[in-house]
Amino acid sequence: DGGITQSPKYLFRKEGQNVTLSCEQNLNHDAMYWYRQDPGQGLRLIYYSQIVNDFQKGDIAEGYSVSREKKESFPLTVTSAQKNPTAFYLCATLAGVNEQFFGPGTRLTVL
Amino acid sequence: GESVGLHLPTLSVQEGDNSIINCAYSNSASDYFIWYKQESGKGPQFIIDIRSNMDKRQGQRVTVLLNKTVKHLSLQIAATQPGDSAVYFCAELRLKAGANNLFFGTGTRLTVIP
Repeated sequence: DGGITQSPKYLFRKEGQNVTLSCEQNLNHDAMYWYRQDPGQGLRLIYYSQIVNDFQKGDIAEGYSVSREKKESFPLTVTSAQKNPTAFYLCATLAGVNEQFFGPGTRLTVL
Repeated sequence: GESVGLHLPTLSVQEGDNSIINCAYSNSASDYFIWYKQESGKGPQFIIDIRSNMDKRQGQRVTVLLNKTVKHLSLQIAATQPGDSAVYFCAELRLKAGANNLFFGTGTRLTVIP
């Protein structure tokens, strides 16, 4: 997980609440990504950012929002519009062309 | 042991045996293929990649084979150890201006029997 921190590790949310997941990196990588992983499934891309102040929707962006005000930080907000938010959320950076480094993940549970 | 990653999501092998994890892909335009290892409750870790113009690439105890004719990718792990127990994902990387995006398969769970 070196260089990428995600907090909190576990997060519980009541229905109707917005929550923000933190992702910080000290790898000096330009590109950052957010993925969602459901049990027994692969990763699906939510949002990505190639540079500061720019980000793009991934395959499942509905109900999520992001910001990229600093190179080191790419927080993800799970809004109340996300109908099924319980999942494992992974933040990643990209080194060079193809090597993606992942954080340790945040497990979000909606109560 | 051998499995098709997308259709047989679990693979059990004896410690010391070789493991073969397979993956079928659909997009001929992928530029790289990458294998990741994910241990329970952790983020995926990069294992090895192969560029689409190559057929084989070797790392430490791992070999990736790419057969573009049948769109098939495999990861071979030599002398499998208990620490190799994890879920293994193949991913396709498509390069494009402004974004290099990965597309992940479902994964195969490898269990090493001591």
